[in-house]
Amino acid sequence: DAGITQSPRYKITETGRQVTLMCHQTWSHSYMFWYRQDLGHGLRLIYYSAAADITDKGEVPDGYVVSRSKTENFPLTLESATRSQTSVYFCASSTGQGYSPLHFGNGTRLTVT
Amino acid sequence: GQSLEQPSEVTAVEGAIVQINCTYQTSGFYGLSWYQQHDGGAPTFLSYNALDGLEETGRFSSFLSRSDSYGYLLLQELQMKDSASYFCAVRSASGGSYIPTFGRGTSLIVHP
Repeated sequence: DAGITQSPRYKITETGRQVTLMCHQTWSHSYMFWYRQDLGHGLRLIYYSAAADITDKGEVPDGYVVSRSKTENFPLTLESATRSQTSVYFCASSTGQGYSPLHFGNGTRLTVT
Repeated sequence: GQSLEQPSEVTAVEGAIVQINCTYQTSGFYGLSWYQQHDGGAPTFLSYNALDGLEETGRFSSFLSRSDSYGYLLLQELQMKDSASYFCAVRSASGGSYIPTFGRGTSLIVHP
């Protein structure tokens, strides 16, 4: 089934560990996004990508790394996890044609202990 | 920069009409969109306004006034399943034309 999938759904990791959150979409959308959602802050943009091999920072990029070697995948890596990175992470995609809505994955709930 | 303001919580009874307001500050405005998110779920797109006026989609309508930097989402004939968070999001030149910036969300609680 076409769509956007994130994995894992839940992850618990320790402070200082590296962790990678995966995002895969089957629509061949040009744009992909990573947002984090925390109580009281809504959805804040971490990084986005306009196409393969093109990425750019969003509002809260510190402590995160992204890559996009293929159009369909947009992994998010926390190089050395901190407790402040405990959050729900959403990946999204859009066509980037005219106005196109964002299609969100089901999210990854990350806890850093 | 960009900023959006929306109420943190709105309550209403089943069958009623409720309006969720959103005011924004940005430069190079392109459009305002609305998303719904149920607890534990993914945000889903509801509507988009690029021009002034009202857009209607079933029980939901969205309004935009560009001169007032203001929009609202109107939900009619409220149902219990409408209990969710609602986010407005602005597209603007300053934010990157295809990159929406989201408000903090409004939690809608529908009572029987």
